[in-house]
Amino acid sequence: EIVLTQSPGTLSLSPGERATLSCRASQRVTNTYLAWYQQKPGQAPRLLIYGASSRATGIPDRFSGSGSGTDFTLTISRLEPEDFAVYYCQQYDSSFPRITFGGGTKVEIK
Amino acid sequence: EVRLLESGGGLVQPGGSLRLSCAASGFTFRNYAMNWVRQTPGKGLEWVSAVSGTGGSTYYADSVKGRFTISRDNSKDTLYLQMNSLRAEDTAIYYCARDPSRMLTWLLDYWGQGNLVTVSS
Repeated sequence: EIVLTQSPGTLSLSPGERATLSCRASQRVTNTYLAWYQQKPGQAPRLLIYGASSRATGIPDRFSGSGSGTDFTLTISRLEPEDFAVYYCQQYDSSFPRITFGGGTKVEIK
Repeated sequence: EVRLLESGGGLVQPGGSLRLSCAASGFTFRNYAMNWVRQTPGKGLEWVSAVSGTGGSTYYADSVKGRFTISRDNSKDTLYLQMNSLRAEDTAIYYCARDPSRMLTWLLDYWGQGNLVTVSS
């Protein structure tokens, strides 16, 4: 089973600042099958990034993903008020269990 | 607009059963694989089960295998999760989520709003 470790647990930033979130896998993630989701309080997760770096439909270009192998990064170039939320990474490898999630990073207003 | 609406959750005693439903709209349901994912404050997000677009292939997390059954009715655009022998640790918000392909890619591109299941005496 691939275990995903996200850091930091909480990121305190101000609007307009840059956010850098990390996701580290315990084993190599095949074909960069790594996704990022945003979740706001009381809402379901929303797909932001898939294939490590491809933005999902309707996602603003201030969100970008990068990485390969075992180390992945989600970057929010300039935080907007609506970006303060919890972010999860997810691997969707062909190994079983096919879907695992990281523990999440909370981006909060400083 | 893609919409997924879960229902059927609630309070159930340990050992009891519950069936969740997920009504889909805004897309051709039979063309997409579907998943159930649950979320708890302590364990975070946990994938539960998946089914292919035809319903012919199903998959389960070890934690629910033998107790939960996923199914779908493509004539009703509805996904189901039959949950038997429920335990306290099954308490969670249950989400249905769409896979962007008929055959499973294990990516989740749209999620429902979630439905709370509480297992307690």
